[in-house]
Amino acid sequence: EPEVTQTPSHQVTQMGQEVILRCVPISNHLYFYWYRQILGQKVEFLVSFYNNEISEKSEIFDDQFSVERPDGSNFTLKIRSTKLEDSAMYFCASETPGAVGNEKLFFGSGTQLSVL
Amino acid sequence: GDSVTQMEGPVTLSEEAFLTINCTYTATGYPSLFWYVQYPGEGLQLLLKATKADDKGSNKGFEATYRKETTSFHLEKGSVQVSDSAVYFCALSDQGGGNKLTFGTGTQLKVEL
Repeated sequence: EPEVTQTPSHQVTQMGQEVILRCVPISNHLYFYWYRQILGQKVEFLVSFYNNEISEKSEIFDDQFSVERPDGSNFTLKIRSTKLEDSAMYFCASETPGAVGNEKLFFGSGTQLSVL
Repeated sequence: GDSVTQMEGPVTLSEEAFLTINCTYTATGYPSLFWYVQYPGEGLQLLLKATKADDKGSNKGFEATYRKETTSFHLEKGSVQVSDSAVYFCALSDQGGGNKLTFGTGTQLKVEL
């Protein structure tokens, strides 16, 4: 079965450093998402991406965050200057065109980001 | 805004026990409701869904009924197995919100022999 791949599985960084989380969505998918889960809290929507632009973003997704699909296969989330509160599990997801009710939404296994 | 509340874990059960994981929601529109499951080391997978009131979603012996009057979508299974050990997430997608999901905190289930 096709799957969404995220790398690395665990990223440790120093506060103030830039990090790039990488995702390879399923090849024929057109919609891409980032979610995150801070330990003990809810999984939160960050951003959705379609047709090479952001289609929706949450309040969390401020100027420190950016997304990119640089080469038609990877989908990246960049945090420009990490803060302690950015420590979380980050999930990438992708979706087939024409999906209704999210039944075709596929998630990666997540990247655990630890900011020290 | 939209929100999902689910029971805290971990929930520890013996094999063949009955499982209930409670989930209630708040939404402004007429949401679709979902249960996702995350097995160790894997991504979130859709377990079941219901798109309108009184619908029952079912898969792999799990089921949940969309109850508009109580704004609930409790997950049940009559006889759990060790292989059901995972984290279970309740989620909703509001009709007006595209495919963006609002999740609960997740409930860890441990099933022991």
